[in-house]
Amino acid sequence: DQQVKQNSPSLSVQEGRISILNCDYTNSMFDYFLWYKKYPAEGPTFLISISSIKDKNEDGRFTVFLNKSAKHLSLHIVPSQPGDSAVYFCAAGDDKIIFGKGTRLHILP
Amino acid sequence: GAGVSQSPSNKVTEKGKDVELRCDPISGHTALYWYRQRLGQGLEFLIYFQGNSAPDKSGLPSDRFSAERTGESVSTLTIQRTQQEDSAVYLCASSPGSRPQHFGDGTRLSIL
Repeated sequence: DQQVKQNSPSLSVQEGRISILNCDYTNSMFDYFLWYKKYPAEGPTFLISISSIKDKNEDGRFTVFLNKSAKHLSLHIVPSQPGDSAVYFCAAGDDKIIFGKGTRLHILP
Repeated sequence: GAGVSQSPSNKVTEKGKDVELRCDPISGHTALYWYRQRLGQGLEFLIYFQGNSAPDKSGLPSDRFSAERTGESVSTLTIQRTQQEDSAVYLCASSPGSRPQHFGDGTRLSIL
């Protein structure tokens, strides 16, 4: 039973445009949400997080939005750059952090 | 470097053998996490440590899996009598507080 779901296995976005990565979760007790980026043969890199008391957190080109009523969060990257091509993992929980299966983002030139 | 270090980076072994995977966290990080990623799957939580105690062992797949941590330092994940379904990349992460923030590059385990 997947508690964190990333329903899009892949996404292609033109360079310079906005990339929107989506994530749904099932456990309303989750109080912390994170996004990671992963290149092949490397470990995930922490990008940005948000606690359940907020609905938006912004860090440079990255913004995470949290909709608790819908149990949905999204990561916006704007403008998208070639180096953003990677697999993005959504994760949620408290001390025990559960990961989704990831979305592969391709930034097209 | 000063990041999370995992060894070995690759391990190939025969079914039925025991393997030991090592994680050296960032110095001073109290929390340490183990995850595994099977081919085409997401990261599967195995266990986490706060200091040398493990509040949550619920992710360990079977009693063939065990993990230890020495103080707030190195951790070892041991898999006994390996099976082919144990083949995966095993990832370790550490954090100064909670929530896994800094990952190593993983150990790729292949069971023949």
